[in-house]
Amino acid sequence: KAGVTQTPRYLIKTRGQQVTLSCSPISGHRSVSWYQQTPGQGLQFLFEYFSETQRNKGNFPGRFSGRQFSNSRSEMNVSTLELGDSALYLCASSLPAPNTGELFFGEGSRLTVL
Amino acid sequence: AQTVTQSQPEMSVQEAETVTLSCTYDTSESDYYLFWYKQPPSRQMILVIRQEAYKQQNATENRFSVNFQKAAKSFSLKISDSQLGDAAMYFCAYRRNDNAGNMLTFGGGTRLMVKP
Repeated sequence: KAGVTQTPRYLIKTRGQQVTLSCSPISGHRSVSWYQQTPGQGLQFLFEYFSETQRNKGNFPGRFSGRQFSNSRSEMNVSTLELGDSALYLCASSLPAPNTGELFFGEGSRLTVL
Repeated sequence: AQTVTQSQPEMSVQEAETVTLSCTYDTSESDYYLFWYKQPPSRQMILVIRQEAYKQQNATENRFSVNFQKAAKSFSLKISDSQLGDAAMYFCAYRRNDNAGNMLTFGGGTRLMVKP
């Protein structure tokens, strides 16, 4: 069974640009969550999508957005990039509740903003 | 809001020895999950062990075990017979056990070094 797949793995952008990251969950998983990982702030929850609807949202500005498609694949978008957006962006998928509680993570997309 | 605290930014252990990583959390919920995740240098986060709050018995997975103290809101991870492959960042995480979603709250992480 294929794991959570994130693309691209690495990307470099400049300030003011926008970026779109993609996440394909494990087959059968309908919940997709996104996390930002930085050395200073650690792992922070961005948002969660379930059945194409945003179910939860973390404390991030509106420049961060996401969506989920009918096949459960998800994308997140960051507009007007800032230097502080440089981070590892992790996607995680899980079975619908009730479930074992476990999230399965992808390898992440490393974004560098210059 | 829930918070998770890992007070040890770095830990070191000799190969084949035992090490314990600490985690405390704060919540007003009574039903929740606690997890330890491992993130090796390759970056993919993998689940090490899971504990359901309503279960009094401490979870065990091979060389990994937890000491879950619900009243003290403490959830430590013990790694026995440490191996070089155990070197990684370890994150303690909390999740409510309801149908509201799958949001995890993470601690700041502990970097574990294993000396040969």
